Amino acid sequence: DTGVSQDPRHKITKRGQNVTFRCDPISEHNRLYWYRQTLGQGPEFLTYFQNEAQLEKSRLLSDRFSAERPKGSFSTLEIQRTEQGDSAMYLCASSLIGLANYNEQFFGPGTRLTVL
Amino acid sequence: DQQVKQNSPSLSVQEGRISILNCDYTNSMFDYFLWYKKYPAEGPTFLISISSIKDKNEDGRFTVFLNKSAKHLSLHIVPSQPGDSAVYFCAATDNYGQNFVFGPGTRLSVLP
Repeated sequence: DTGVSQDPRHKITKRGQNVTFRCDPISEHNRLYWYRQTLGQGPEFLTYFQNEAQLEKSRLLSDRFSAERPKGSFSTLEIQRTEQGDSAMYLCASSLIGLANYNEQFFGPGTRLTVL
Repeated sequence: DQQVKQNSPSLSVQEGRISILNCDYTNSMFDYFLWYKKYPAEGPTFLISISSIKDKNEDGRFTVFLNKSAKHLSLHIVPSQPGDSAVYFCAATDNYGQNFVFGPGTRLSVLP
C-alpha cells in the first residue's frame, strides 16, 4: 500500500509564474479530491474527479486554476499567474466509491506552495 | 460563512483522562460526519465517522456522538495518550461524498 503521493512537497515561485502539482492516488481509488489549506484553517474543497470526469468545482477555484485527471489515475493541478494569496498547502485525497465507507478519504502529505 | 465550526482552537488534557472535542454545523443537508487527525508535515488521517441515521459510533478509544437536532457532534478519546497530540478536524458532507466541508481544527495536547 503506497498511499497517496504528491509531488513536489515544496514549491517556491515568484508571483506571476505558473506552477503544476501532481497527485498519485491509491491505485484502485476512483475519486480524487483537491483541497487548499492555509494556516489555522481546515482543508478547503477545490474540486473532485470521479475517474477522469471533473464533477464538482468550488467557487474558490478561479479561472487561474485548472485540474485534470486524464486517464482516471494521477491528477495535476495547475495555477497560472500565481499570486501571493495562492500561498498555501495543497492537499490531494482519494477514495473508492462502491465501498460502504466511501466517504473515507485518504490524504497525501500535501504540496506547500510559497509565492514570493 | 463557516458551515462547520470548531470553537476551541486548542485543548490540553492529562494523560489517561478523557478528551472531548466539539464540532457544530449549520447546513442541515449534511448527512455524514468525519473526524480526521493531523500530525505536522503530514496529511490528515481518517479517524472515525458517523452517519446521520446514528447518534453514536465507537472504535476502540474513540467515540463520536451526533446530536442532529442541535447540529452538534463531539469526539471522545478515552483514555487519552500522548500520541493523540495532534490537530483534529471535523468534516461534513452530504453523503454523496462530493463536497466535504472541514472545520478549522482543534489542537489537542495530551500531557504526560
